[in-house]
Amino acid sequence: AQSVTQLGSHVSVSEGALVLLRCNYSSSVPPYLFWYVQYPNQGLQLLLKYTTGATLVKGINGFEAEFKKSETSFHLTKPSAHMSDAAEYFCAVSLFSGANNLFFGTGTRLTVIP
Amino acid sequence: NAGVTQTPKFQVLKTGQSMTLQCAQDMNHNSMYWYRQDPGMGLRLIYYSASEGTTDKGEVPNGYNVSRLNKREFSLRLESAAPSQTSVYFCASNLVQGASYEQYFGPGTRLTVT
Repeated sequence: AQSVTQLGSHVSVSEGALVLLRCNYSSSVPPYLFWYVQYPNQGLQLLLKYTTGATLVKGINGFEAEFKKSETSFHLTKPSAHMSDAAEYFCAVSLFSGANNLFFGTGTRLTVIP
Repeated sequence: NAGVTQTPKFQVLKTGQSMTLQCAQDMNHNSMYWYRQDPGMGLRLIYYSASEGTTDKGEVPNGYNVSRLNKREFSLRLESAAPSQTSVYFCASNLVQGASYEQYFGPGTRLTVT
């Protein structure tokens, strides 16, 4: 079975500080990995994804994530937080490209302190 | 393109009432999904449709039914609403071929059952 664990349901950072949101997965085979962002009262928007190839993935809004197979991790980072980054972030895993098998973590709410 | 659209945006039901949530996508995607989002639980898959004419249960299907009306539309029906179905419901779609594996989400329907 596959599952996703996001450490920390709430993370607060100061504006300009490093953002680090943690995601670990369990899977019997190498997965596809995704980070989504949800702004208040909106749907989910894809930040970045890892499918194959380079393990360091760059996404929108200056975010990036690194797939580390040995650590079963896919942590999301951004060098300098901006007020507009305040949102909820979801890590998700899929074993294949097919239907039905996108599994989400419970989410991390990011607060940016001015 | 409008992407994924959902109606209604908000709904209040009394216990035992029925309603249908509508979802449509204009991206020519073949797979569509219904999720519910509850605080601290992330998104959980209710039903999905891998292609037109097929539907399958997800993680939390009890109390729901779905219809894949055509390639564009995928509806979710609550036959007899219960307070436990108070949630935010998201519809999503994806292409399931090529290199684009991510799901695209609608803006959500916020449902309250009293």
